[in-house]
Amino acid sequence: RKEVEQDPGPFNVPEGATVAFNCTYSNSASQSFFWYRQDCRKEPKLLMSVYSSGNEDGRFTAQLNRASQYISLLIRDSKLSDSATYLCVVNGGSYIPTFGRGTSLIVHP
Amino acid sequence: GAVVSQHPSWVICKSGTSVKIECRSLDFQATTMFWYRQFPKQSLMLMATSNEGSKATYEQGVEKDKFLINHASLTLSTLTVTSAHPEDSSFYICSAREVITEAFFGQGTRLTVV
Repeated sequence: RKEVEQDPGPFNVPEGATVAFNCTYSNSASQSFFWYRQDCRKEPKLLMSVYSSGNEDGRFTAQLNRASQYISLLIRDSKLSDSATYLCVVNGGSYIPTFGRGTSLIVHP
Repeated sequence: GAVVSQHPSWVICKSGTSVKIECRSLDFQATTMFWYRQFPKQSLMLMATSNEGSKATYEQGVEKDKFLINHASLTLSTLTVTSAHPEDSSFYICSAREVITEAFFGQGTRLTVV
């Protein structure tokens, strides 16, 4: 089993839709979790950290489920500009960031 | 967020030559830097982890004599691809962090070996 797994997609949704991605991790000792966004041929950029209590930033909501070892990202009211690849990042027991493969999102008019 | 500057952004080199990529943390002290490689449609794969003043720790399958990493100061790490070959063509990204929090990324370097 890979350390961090994501459904690569693509998720193809219309503008205004709500879409959710999950990411599972194998190391139960993982300490911190993040969602990054990566546009084509660009570096990843931090979208949001994921806290145990869950957190929300505008249209984006991130949640952590330690018991089932997954994190989720919910995007409401999708915009065309949300089209990108969303990377799940898990800091393992040694705090080395490990990336998922990424989930591709395509928002169409 | 913190700023990490990586350059060059892209480089084309001849097979057999060496290429150096620099990664600088501009407004924080990067105690740890990570080097990743990303092939098309694949995830970022960690190549090595370096702590300032120490030798880098390489991931399994990454040749340390081919990918030389130097982290001589708290603001600069370099990756040198020695005797580059076409199969080394990839997107290389550095990441830096000050403490055990989120890491910040450089802009990435697209290396093409011809």
